Amino acid sequence: GAGVSQSPSNKVTEKGKDVELRCDPISGHTALYWYRQSLGQGLEFLIYFQGNSAPDKSGLPSDRFSAERTGGSVSTLTIQRTQQEDSAVYLCASSLRQREAFFGQGTRLTVV
Amino acid sequence: AQSVTQLGSHVSVSEGALVLLRCNYSSSVPPYLFWYVQYPNQGLQLLLKYTTGATLVKGINGFEAEFKKSETSFHLTKPSAHMSDAAEYFCAVSLPPKTGANNLFFGTGTRLTVIP
Repeated sequence: GAGVSQSPSNKVTEKGKDVELRCDPISGHTALYWYRQSLGQGLEFLIYFQGNSAPDKSGLPSDRFSAERTGGSVSTLTIQRTQQEDSAVYLCASSLRQREAFFGQGTRLTVV
Repeated sequence: AQSVTQLGSHVSVSEGALVLLRCNYSSSVPPYLFWYVQYPNQGLQLLLKYTTGATLVKGINGFEAEFKKSETSFHLTKPSAHMSDAAEYFCAVSLPPKTGANNLFFGTGTRLTVIP
């Protein structure tokens, strides 16, 4: 594709519900990253996928968060039993090895 | 260990004045270095990058940065600030991929305000 695509762009959910956020990376990019950005804050690393290697999950804030990347392409970030503190913009990026990462426009998650 | 430090979470400059945003890094291997810009309610956009070769790199919107290995710095500059430069700026370091470990590290960001 032309760029990194994330869906939905906005998601409002009730506290306690599960949500799935989707990321379509640039075709051929072997690395995929998820970040969280709270209002007015910097980037919080969540998880990193590189090729067929086991992902680096060191940034996931709790076991309610999980992510998978199917076929080395599309990735889904799942948040179970959402809490109000999960409200943030979730950003996905992809890159080719060490080169620059390209970001999607993000999914704005609001937990009410 | 690797890290990225951006000095100054907020920087204010007058329109037409020099913009200087500081970035220092620590890395045990030669890194690739990037500056990204984030406008309100948008994703991150690449401003410029250093991989190898010339240490002074030029990017979009008149920005440039110089890689100084001896100072482990990659400061971002623009000779004359424009109102449209008001945004959040992130410095980033990318390392050669290693199995099972994240290779991309961001600074905490610097919010640039341009005063008319």
